[in-house]
Amino acid sequence: DVKVTQSSRYLVKRTGEKVFLECVQDMDHENMFWYRQDPGLGLRLIYFSYDVKMKEKGDIPEGYSVSREKKERFSLILESASTNQTSMYLCASSLTLAGNSPLHFGNGTRLTVT
Amino acid sequence: DQQVKQNSPSLSVQEGRISILNCDYTNSMFDYFLWYKKYPAEGPTFLISISSIKDKNEDGRFTVFLNKSAKHLSLHIVPSQPGDSAVYFCAARDLETSGSRLTFGEGTQLTVNP
Repeated sequence: DVKVTQSSRYLVKRTGEKVFLECVQDMDHENMFWYRQDPGLGLRLIYFSYDVKMKEKGDIPEGYSVSREKKERFSLILESASTNQTSMYLCASSLTLAGNSPLHFGNGTRLTVT
Repeated sequence: DQQVKQNSPSLSVQEGRISILNCDYTNSMFDYFLWYKKYPAEGPTFLISISSIKDKNEDGRFTVFLNKSAKHLSLHIVPSQPGDSAVYFCAARDLETSGSRLTFGEGTQLTVNP
């Protein structure tokens, strides 16, 4: 069974702080993703990665960066947190690029920026 | 530009009856569609999928129907159970253009009353 683990369930940070959200998957998946979930907006893709040290922008990358130094770990970085980045952040991984390869999600990190 | 839309934020049904969740899309290049279920404080979990070359896929109590000409898909749950109460997300993939990244709808909160 695929396990995607996000290191924190809840985080409270101050405006301007640098924030790291960590995600680890244990199934040797090539692809990893960061989404944020907001009421009425669904899940929106921030960044994704097809391989180690590779990253691509999603639909809403502004204010974020990512790091993938190892295959199993994908980090989301908020360089200078702002209140509009208060959200639920979801990490996911998938085995292949095939259409029927579903995403496996972690349980999410609820970030509050004050 | 919301390419995947779930126009009903919520749906309430009685236990044992049919639940029908709807999803519309605008991108004719989408070639794979997936449904995810999300409980509070958990990440979304994959439920069922359908390729664009099919019009129906069934898995137990869950059936997904795809109407390509109308750019519409629906998820039927029969019979509905209280444990089905969750947020349901429709998602779509354009493999050729966007790889394995998914575009999600806003979600529909399903409540199944005992």
